[in-house]
Amino acid sequence: GGIITQTPKFLIGQEGQKLTLKCQQNFNHDTMYWYRQDSGKGLRLIYYSITENDLQKGDLSEGYDASREKKSSFSLTVTSAQKNEMAVFLCASSIGGPVFFGKGTRLTVV
Amino acid sequence: GQQVQQSPASLVLQEGENAELQCNFSTSLNSMQWFYQRPGGSLVSLFYNPSGTKHSGRLTSTTVIKERRSSLHISSSQTTDSGTYLCALALNTGNYKYVFGAGTRLKVIA
Repeated sequence: GGIITQTPKFLIGQEGQKLTLKCQQNFNHDTMYWYRQDSGKGLRLIYYSITENDLQKGDLSEGYDASREKKSSFSLTVTSAQKNEMAVFLCASSIGGPVFFGKGTRLTVV
Repeated sequence: GQQVQQSPASLVLQEGENAELQCNFSTSLNSMQWFYQRPGGSLVSLFYNPSGTKHSGRLTSTTVIKERRSSLHISSSQTTDSGTYLCALALNTGNYKYVFGAGTRLKVIA
């Protein structure tokens, strides 16, 4: 079986700061995803990528950049952290069938 | 409009009661998956079920493509079933965009 590793697990940033979240998968999956989950709410798609160097915008891409440097890794950048922002960012991967998730990065902006 | 709708939004059960959770979608799909999440917890995949019926212990998932719906049946509920149930779809739009419903928050009381 494979695994999706997200780093860091916890991220504390300051207002206006640029923050980068990383995701690695060893499933050899083509498609990778970044979702945001706010407390008590469902998941919203930020970016996804169907192959290396590909990027597709989700419903929540404004304020974020992403990079698919290689097949196994997908990074997400918060371009300017918003004060009091708190959310969990979830990375996932798929090869067209079931989607597999990492454990998330919990972001707090002070 | 919203592509994936889950109902009910929340549900309270007495331990031992059954529950039926619904996921309705606006167009044909490629992929359908049910997840479970405890507050603050990771997503746990329950079923990958793009069509037909699947069983796992006290859980049953049924997807009827032509009716554009999927259901998750929980029989003989237990307090440990409490949490949020999410459905996720890759719609048949020629891309790999995986979207989530807002979830059903279930509380089972003893």
